Amino acid sequence: AQKITQTQPGMFVQEKEAVTLDCTYDTSDPSYGLFWYKQPSSGEMIFLIYQGSYDQQNATEGRYSLNFQKARKSANLVISASQLGDSAMYFCAMRDWGGNKLTFGTGTQLKVEL
Amino acid sequence: EPEVTQTPSHQVTQMGQEVILRCVPISNHLYFYWYRQILGQKVEFLVSFYNNEISEKSEIFDDQFSVERPDGSNFTLKIRSTKLEDSAMYFCASSEEVTSTDTQYFGPGTRLTVL
Repeated sequence: AQKITQTQPGMFVQEKEAVTLDCTYDTSDPSYGLFWYKQPSSGEMIFLIYQGSYDQQNATEGRYSLNFQKARKSANLVISASQLGDSAMYFCAMRDWGGNKLTFGTGTQLKVEL
Repeated sequence: EPEVTQTPSHQVTQMGQEVILRCVPISNHLYFYWYRQILGQKVEFLVSFYNNEISEKSEIFDDQFSVERPDGSNFTLKIRSTKLEDSAMYFCASSEEVTSTDTQYFGPGTRLTVL
């Protein structure tokens, strides 16, 4: 069975600083995808970034990058140059080969401070 | 940019009543999903739907739940007889494919409150 672990229930970061949100996963499938979603206080789920298990390079999307360490089964999200609008809940999720569902972690609440 | 839409944004109902939550997936997507998030908890998979039938469902998705694609654009989740513990945010999502590489795009959610 798949499992996603996010050990940081809450994080604080100062505006313009970088922050790393941790995510570890467990699966027996050799092919899987890892996703990060942002959930602002308004409640919607916004897709941020994706990393495939066979991707050789770490994914990047603007200020978001994914620090993928396959041997350690970790897929940490790095947000550079934090902005006040980055304050939100962040969820790591995984989907395995041929799988229909996303399995989510418990989330990390990020607060960006002035 | 195409997006998933959901109606209503908030639904209040009495215990035992039927509710129908509506979703319009992204138009060229073929795979549809419902998830729920009880307040303060993680997002949980309910059901996936492809080619007019359920492809996978979770233990949460019991006989009280059903899904339907009544026409070419809408995708609905029906809860037959709501319970207090059904109070949650319900998210619809859609994707083009069903591989591990394909992104599921979520709607804004419907907050269901059962009194």
